Amino acid sequence: EPEVTQTPSHQVTQMGQEVILRCVPISNHLYFYWYRQILGQKVEFLVSFYNNEISEKSEIFDDQFSVERPDGSNFTLKIRSTKLEDSAMYFCASSMGTRNTEAFFGQGTRLTVV
Amino acid sequence: SQKIEQNSEALNIQEGKTATLTCNYTNYSPAYLQWYRQDPGRGPVFLLLIRENEKEKRKERLKVTFDTTLKQSLFHITASQPADSATYLCALSTYSSASKIIFGSGTRLSIRP
Repeated sequence: EPEVTQTPSHQVTQMGQEVILRCVPISNHLYFYWYRQILGQKVEFLVSFYNNEISEKSEIFDDQFSVERPDGSNFTLKIRSTKLEDSAMYFCASSMGTRNTEAFFGQGTRLTVV
Repeated sequence: SQKIEQNSEALNIQEGKTATLTCNYTNYSPAYLQWYRQDPGRGPVFLLLIRENEKEKRKERLKVTFDTTLKQSLFHITASQPADSATYLCALSTYSSASKIIFGSGTRLSIRP
């Protein structure tokens, strides 16, 4: 069964450093998403991406964050100047469309900022 | 302000009974409402989707209802099993923000043998 894969599964970084979280969405999907979940809290929408550009973004997704689809298969989330409060699980997801279709989530990258 | 509320943080029921989880929303006009299951340390897994013009959807032991007047969805698991123990997430998207799926905080369901 096709699945969304994320690497690494766990990333530890020093405060102030930049991190890149990587995702390989399901191959025939058109929409890609990043979500985050701080420990014990709800799954929060960060950004959606379609046709090589951002479709929607939340107020969390400020200039510290960027997304890219560099090679037609990978989908990345870059976090610049990481802060302690960026520590969370980051989930990538993909879907065929936006109407009447479900999103498939990866297993997440646990980011720990120290 | 806009809210999605799952009004039970935790629900504990006996195996074999029907579990009923509630999702209420405020200041949204959802086009679709979805239910996901999340196990500890794992990503959400899609279960069911229901459209605004549908009253009910079923899949095996799962049933979802959607009442746009009450602004509420109910999620039922019949003949519950310990393996159904997980956190269940309600999520919605609107016509104006179709690519933005917003999640509720979830209900942690425990099925005791």
